Amino acid sequence: EAGVAQSPRYKIIEKRQSVAFWCNPISGHATLYWYQQILGQGPKLLIQFQNNGVVDDSQLPKDRFSAERLKGVDSTLKIQPAKLEDSAVYLCASSSEDGSAYEQYFGPGTRLTVT
Amino acid sequence: GQSLEQPSEVTAVEGAIVQINCTYQTSGFYGLSWYQQHDGGAPTFLSYNALDGLEETGRFSSFLSRSDSYGYLLLQELQMKDSASYFCAVSPSGYSTLTFGKGTMLLVSP
Repeated sequence: EAGVAQSPRYKIIEKRQSVAFWCNPISGHATLYWYQQILGQGPKLLIQFQNNGVVDDSQLPKDRFSAERLKGVDSTLKIQPAKLEDSAVYLCASSSEDGSAYEQYFGPGTRLTVT
Repeated sequence: GQSLEQPSEVTAVEGAIVQINCTYQTSGFYGLSWYQQHDGGAPTFLSYNALDGLEETGRFSSFLSRSDSYGYLLLQELQMKDSASYFCAVSPSGYSTLTFGKGTMLLVSP
């Protein structure tokens, strides 16, 4: 079974530029999560999708971050415009519909550096 | 809201036993999860406790006391490859998302 795929693995941009990250969850997993992990901290949830509907986006900075999950499979997270404090690893995770959120499968992440 | 406290760093030697503690304060509580993350890698699920007591999975065990809002991860027969960060995470309900602690970096030396 293939794991969660993410791309790109690394991205360096200047502040005020835009960037997009892509995630393909484990096949059949209905729930998809985007996390931000700043160095030395635990993952912080940005948004949770159930199929293609948003379940929780309370911590997503909506003035600059957006995410979509078309057709309930792949997802894209966008930042526009980026700020220096957005430098972090962006992790995508998925969990199965018949499982609980406590067991999530994470992708390798995208390391974003904003200069 | 939720907050979790765990030590920032723990050191141990190969073959030893180490315990990583986690205390939490949550507005709702469904269970406590543990994840391992190697440097530059993805977090991977280790264990989950919804009820009081000890859950054992090979060399790893996890304990929960709901009345004390406390849990721990016990790693036995430590190996060099166990050097990683360990995160506790709480879920306020079974199908809601996780809130992670800041993580404990475990350094295993020869």
